[in-house]
Amino acid sequence: QVQLQESGPGLVKPSGTLSLTCVVSGGSISSSNWWSWVRQPPGKGLEWIGEIYHSGSTNYSPSLKSRVTISVDKSKNQFSLKLSSVTAADTAVYYCARFYSSSFNYFDPWGQGTLVTVSS
Amino acid sequence: AIQMTQSPSSLSASVGDRVTITCRASQGIRNDLGWYQQKPGTAPKVLIYGASSLQSGVPSRFSGSGSGTDFTLTISSLQPEDFATYYCLQDYNYPYTFGQGTKLEIK
Repeated sequence: QVQLQESGPGLVKPSGTLSLTCVVSGGSISSSNWWSWVRQPPGKGLEWIGEIYHSGSTNYSPSLKSRVTISVDKSKNQFSLKLSSVTAADTAVYYCARFYSSSFNYFDPWGQGTLVTVSS
Repeated sequence: AIQMTQSPSSLSASVGDRVTITCRASQGIRNDLGWYQQKPGTAPKVLIYGASSLQSGVPSRFSGSGSGTDFTLTISSLQPEDFATYYCLQDYNYPYTFGQGTKLEIK
């Protein structure tokens, strides 16, 4: 079955750029699904960041759109997140997830999540 | 953005209890709503999609209902493994938005 695995630095300096990658295994990123990033600040709720299709089409949350770039690398079966000009408010667990698309849609599966701390 | 308001934000219940969590959308979202369960230190897991469809492998004590703006998640008989935080999510339009969560605790 499809599995997702996030990777990237766990510590980013303020004003820097957060960069994460999600590797997809057990299935193709070129399937008819969107691939998303979701984050969760410590002790708080979930926030959708954005998504990408294998064609490169993207949708972003307006609250983050000016700072977010999501890209796909079909040759490596992975997609990536870049978030620029980070502050402490961007400290969170970042999850990648497949947005399974059929007559109804849902996030499944999810990666295990990776904590990114913004601190000097 | 569509706001999703869950209630209650926390709930204490006992094993065997019937529990209902509600989610209200700030505008109509047809039945483009899912329910997710999250346990500490783990990723969310989908329970219900399309407001009322049970995800494969999820126990039948979980059920969902509603359409338009008002939705409910019901657990018919709480089991020890059900104590967790529950989130609703609308995927009717962008940006997708989650409710603030309902933490279900043992009484």
